[in-house]
Amino acid sequence: TQLLEQSPQFLSIQEGENLTVYCNSSSVFSSLQWYRQEPGEGPVLLVTVVTGGEVKKLKRLTFQFGDARKDSSLHITAAQPGDTGLYLCAGAKGNKLVFGAGTILRVKS
Amino acid sequence: SAVISQKPSRDICQRGTSLTIQCQVDSQVTMMFWYRQQPGQSLTLIATANQGSEATYESGFVIDKFPISRPNLTFSTLTVSNMSPEDSSIYLCSVVGQWSSYEQYFGPGTRLTVT
Repeated sequence: TQLLEQSPQFLSIQEGENLTVYCNSSSVFSSLQWYRQEPGEGPVLLVTVVTGGEVKKLKRLTFQFGDARKDSSLHITAAQPGDTGLYLCAGAKGNKLVFGAGTILRVKS
Repeated sequence: SAVISQKPSRDICQRGTSLTIQCQVDSQVTMMFWYRQQPGQSLTLIATANQGSEATYESGFVIDKFPISRPNLTFSTLTVSNMSPEDSSIYLCSVVGQWSSYEQYFGPGTRLTVT
């Protein structure tokens, strides 16, 4: 059973469209991180959210942490082909990270 | 964030053989982690490697199959022993960030194919 449920698993959209990726759990996490990974590379940390209800923006990316610190979302505005990649959420349990299943995003030009 | 390198970047190995993957960090770090990742899928933690102590393995992973060394604060190795095609995967090392106890930074990975 996946501790962190991530959806959707796959998303193929046209350039300029908006999208949201969800990460849900029944467990409370001390923090939640979002990573982006491109083929042949390791995951790259995008953001860490710590406080319940927190919202962080990184250019066209908006990250939200649920009030109860059990869920999070990543919203991308006006997606570009450069956003293509595997997006992973990861919840912190002590020093360890629990990863969601990942969302493969493909943005077509 | 730390700069992490891994060797080899990829390898093709025959079943029954072993491969040792190296992870080098450009700064001293206490905690290092080894993960396995099927292409296009999520990461599964294999073990936590702290310098000066035995590695701690997650459920489903054992030391005989995945021995780990951590001789100093900048280096670690993971050996995949007696390989089978099911071991074909990407193996990644990571370290905890200097200013955080939970943010992790990853190496580029080692893509292993077992034939």
